[in-house]
Amino acid sequence: EDQVTQSPEALRLQEGESSSLNCSYTVSGLRGLFWYRQDPGKGPEFLFTLYSAGEEKEKERLKATLTKKESFLHITAPKPEDSATYLCAVQAWGSGGGADGLTFGKGTHLIIQP
Amino acid sequence: ETGVTQTPRHLVMGMTNKKSLKCEQHLGHNAMYWYKQSAKKPLELMFVYSLEERVENNSVPSRFSPECPNSSHLFLHLHTLQPEDSALYLCASSQDLRGDQETQYFGPGTRLLVL
Repeated sequence: EDQVTQSPEALRLQEGESSSLNCSYTVSGLRGLFWYRQDPGKGPEFLFTLYSAGEEKEKERLKATLTKKESFLHITAPKPEDSATYLCAVQAWGSGGGADGLTFGKGTHLIIQP
Repeated sequence: ETGVTQTPRHLVMGMTNKKSLKCEQHLGHNAMYWYKQSAKKPLELMFVYSLEERVENNSVPSRFSPECPNSSHLFLHLHTLQPEDSALYLCASSQDLRGDQETQYFGPGTRLLVL
């Protein structure tokens, strides 16, 4: 059974204070690892997809990295508008070679204080 | 309209009611999904459709009945729900299930309260 564990559950930072969010996973054949951002009362907003160990992707103040067991979302010099819940999800190769739906972690609730 | 839209955004229903949730995607995608998001729990995959055919049913109770009349529309028919079914129901779509364009894009969700 595919599993995703995110830590910490919640994180409070001062504006400009860089940090990292962790996503540990176990999956039978990784098709892709996804990071989403979710604001209260809204659907998840896609951020990144990572496919293989060693891959890195960046978007503004966010950088996602991937190893064979975990992914990190690094936040550099965050601003209050970066406050949100960040979700990690994995997609495995399904039977017959097709991709399955996503298996999500519980998320990290990030608060950036001015 | 752009992206993935869902209606209604909020729904309150009694346990004996029958209601339907609607999802529409304007992205030209071929695959659509229903997820359930409950408080303190991860998003749970409910159903997957590819080219209007159901390809996965994640052990969902029969009181939830999906329908995909075409690749742009997805419905979730609800009947005799329980209070524990109260949650945010999210629809998502992706270009394909078996290609490289598998990134799923989500709608805003329907907040459901069962009394």
